[in-house]
Amino acid sequence: SQTIHQWPATLVQPVGSPLSLECTVEGTSNPNLYWYRQAAGRGLQLLFYSVGIGQISSEVPQNLSASRPQDRQFILSSKKLLLSDSGFYLCAWRGLGGNQPQHFGDGTRLSIL
Amino acid sequence: RKEVEQDPGPFNVPEGATVAFNCTYSNSASQSFFWYRQDCRKEPKLLMSVYSSGNEDGRFTAQLNRASQYISLLIRDSKLSDSATYLCVVGNEKLTFGTGTRLTIIP
Repeated sequence: SQTIHQWPATLVQPVGSPLSLECTVEGTSNPNLYWYRQAAGRGLQLLFYSVGIGQISSEVPQNLSASRPQDRQFILSSKKLLLSDSGFYLCAWRGLGGNQPQHFGDGTRLSIL
Repeated sequence: RKEVEQDPGPFNVPEGATVAFNCTYSNSASQSFFWYRQDCRKEPKLLMSVYSSGNEDGRFTAQLNRASQYISLLIRDSKLSDSATYLCVVGNEKLTFGTGTRLTIIP
């Protein structure tokens, strides 16, 4: 069966520090991969999605970036975090083929001080 | 018009009651429809897919109305454990999540 791992679960970082969040998927090949952010009490905001290795689509302009160095690995990064980067970051995967749902990792709760 | 629109609630419903949510979507070419539930400070989890003919999973029934571009979720005999935020999800290659409807079941 397929599983998705996302870490760390919680992260506290100072303003201006770098960020690296990692997400890996097991049990499937060539999944679509997604990074979302959810601010407190708000809906999900799609940040990036990827349909293959090295293919990244950005949904909103920001100081974050994403990379997909391997088929089942998706990384979210920043060189210098802002206070507004605080939130709940969720990685998700989706299988190929019609009408497939997305499946989410446990999420990373990021607080910027 | 938002791509996916839901009544944010909150819906406060007594235990055992029936509750229904609607969700409207703007892209008539959408082919994939889902309901997710999200508990406080947790990730969204798939509740059920929504099929053209409507589908049922235990106490949960989902319906799709393509002509009016909405999907619905009906929960019968509601339980305390049904308290959560319910997210409507619509799309094709890319899925769009609604902001959710908050449901609280009252003992």
